[in-house]
Amino acid sequence: ETGVTQTPRHLVMGMTNKKSLKCEQHLGHNAMYWYKQSAKKPLELMFVYNFKEQTENNSVPSRFSPECPNSSHLFLHLHTLQPEDSALYLCASSQDLIRGTQYFGPGTRLLVL
Amino acid sequence: EDQVTQSPEALRLQEGESSSLNCSYTVSGLRGLFWYRQDPGKGPEFLFTLYSAGEEKEKERLKATLTKKESFLHITAPKPEDSATYLCAVRGGSARQLTFGSGTQLTVLP
Repeated sequence: ETGVTQTPRHLVMGMTNKKSLKCEQHLGHNAMYWYKQSAKKPLELMFVYNFKEQTENNSVPSRFSPECPNSSHLFLHLHTLQPEDSALYLCASSQDLIRGTQYFGPGTRLLVL
Repeated sequence: EDQVTQSPEALRLQEGESSSLNCSYTVSGLRGLFWYRQDPGKGPEFLFTLYSAGEEKEKERLKATLTKKESFLHITAPKPEDSATYLCAVRGGSARQLTFGSGTQLTVLP
């Protein structure tokens, strides 16, 4: 595997379900990010981790819970989501927070019914 | 607060018809302007990073330029495979996160 990988690529869940999104980066980077992309809207940053420590939480509802066990892996745990949470969820990584270019994974297309 | 505005929202070109996409930005102390390409249902693919006014970078049919207020992505003799949404993002001096524009959806017709 190379670059940034995400699983699953597609997910359909009910409002009462609990699911998790997984991201893995094979670039040796130290920072990882979760973004939400909705139709016709700019990418919205959700969470930032640097050396496994959370450095940003952009007022994300508590039904989204991130986890970063090490610098290569990032999870987004989902529970009791709303239909408006349906979107493309993108993971990215960069060498560092200050100047590093962010490289994105293919995304998980989430549909909440 | 950093701001990024991309124009036009959508652009249709005939194959071979050169054009430019615009990214206007407001930032306090630019620490990088980034261009990405995004195909439908996929993650953004990194194209260029520009750091200072006057800087230019090229890759195949694409050329990115930067001034103190805007960046242009010039597409020379585009092909249908250049069809995608092109995203612009900036990192300001006081922010460690990127601010993205809404993108320009480019369609190149054969």
